[in-house]
Amino acid sequence: EVQLVESGGGLVKPGGSLRLSCAASGFTFSIYSMNWVRQAPGQGLEWVSSISSTSRFIYYADSVQGRFTVSRDNAKNSLYLQMNSLRAEDTAMYYCARDPSGPWGHGTLVTVSS
Amino acid sequence: DIQMTQSPSSLSASVGDRVTITCRASQGISNYLAWFQQKPGKAPKSLIYAASSLQSGVPSKFSGSGSGTDFTLTISSLQPEDFATYYCQQYSTYPRTFGQGTKLEIK
Repeated sequence: EVQLVESGGGLVKPGGSLRLSCAASGFTFSIYSMNWVRQAPGQGLEWVSSISSTSRFIYYADSVQGRFTVSRDNAKNSLYLQMNSLRAEDTAMYYCARDPSGPWGHGTLVTVSS
Repeated sequence: DIQMTQSPSSLSASVGDRVTITCRASQGISNYLAWFQQKPGKAPKSLIYAASSLQSGVPSKFSGSGSGTDFTLTISSLQPEDFATYYCQQYSTYPRTFGQGTKLEIK
């Protein structure tokens, strides 16, 4: 069974940092591009970042460019999102998802508040 | 960026009804379109990819069509478990973009 499990979310103060992780299982992780997508409370879905299978190609939404860094470790079947300079508007549920159309993990909640 | 516009934003229907949700792209995306279903408090679930291909395990009551800029998701014979929010997403180019969602409610 394909499974994606996110972790690392929590409460952080504005300007702080968090590192999200996504553990993949049930498929050949190393051949797929992966995405991070977020959803602010009561809002729609917002694509955050994508990384190609070999990490050669990386893309970010304008809203996180320069503050977030996506990476992966194919040997560990893991995807990461390093989030720095966090703002209140980054508060959201963060999902990892296999490109292009899923499946998705259950999400990890990031709350940025003083 | 490619804008994805769904209509309607909300839809009220009855059990047993057939409904159609539309998604329009601001420029052509061929068939690089996916549909997702999201229930309250849950992660999105993939229903359809490549505009019309059903994900494994998704019942055939769900169907997608379209190419270029205009796409539809049709759900036949609505059941209580189908009432949810539906999103389209283009994956033709970056940034990936989603429609704003269509909330399907019970009448």
